Amino acid sequence: KNEVEQSPQNLTAQEGEFITINCSYSVGISALHWLQQHPGGGIVSLFMLSSGKKKHGRLIATINIQEKHSSLHITASHPRDSAVYICAVSWYGGSQGNLIFGKGTKLSVKP
Amino acid sequence: DAGITQSPRHKVTETGTPVTLRCHQTENHRYMYWYRQDPGHGLRLIHYSYGVKDTDKGEVSDGYSVSRSKTEDFLLTLESATSSQTSVYFCAIGYGGNTGELFFGEGSRLTVL
Repeated sequence: KNEVEQSPQNLTAQEGEFITINCSYSVGISALHWLQQHPGGGIVSLFMLSSGKKKHGRLIATINIQEKHSSLHITASHPRDSAVYICAVSWYGGSQGNLIFGKGTKLSVKP
Repeated sequence: DAGITQSPRHKVTETGTPVTLRCHQTENHRYMYWYRQDPGHGLRLIHYSYGVKDTDKGEVSDGYSVSRSKTEDFLLTLESATSSQTSVYFCAIGYGGNTGELFFGEGSRLTVL
């Protein structure tokens, strides 16, 4: 079983397109994280949210607690957005730092 | 950016040899974590620490041990490396609590032949 599911697994877009990556989870959570990992690189935290919506530059993250669903949107996509985007949840009953991670969505933005 | 340094960044070793990975932070965060990342899996927690000499097991702790003798250093040891431990290992630090943001290191790629 996989308690955090991301879709799509792979996504190719043209520069300038609006992109949406989805994350669904099956456990009760206290927070949801969106992370970015560039090829061969480290992992960067983009957002941590427990309700509503957050925006940072061209990135927007939303969460619907009732529906156990979150989305990451990228507006006016650019080739430098090409990366793996990972959804992770802090779940009730989990020990500190024991996040449940999705397998990631690999995004490629073509110029 | 949070100051986290992992060493070594790359290591190739042979089955049965001991290996130690080091995570060093300059941020004075209480919590430190070791994860492994494998194709087809999400990141999985190996061990974590919530203070000096305070550690606990994660989801995939078998074959690994950790130590934290100073706030800034968290060591991951493979006493006798196996090929199944070939992976990319990430250290992370955080304030703790289920809503705390995590900051990740650059990763250490370990190959066990």
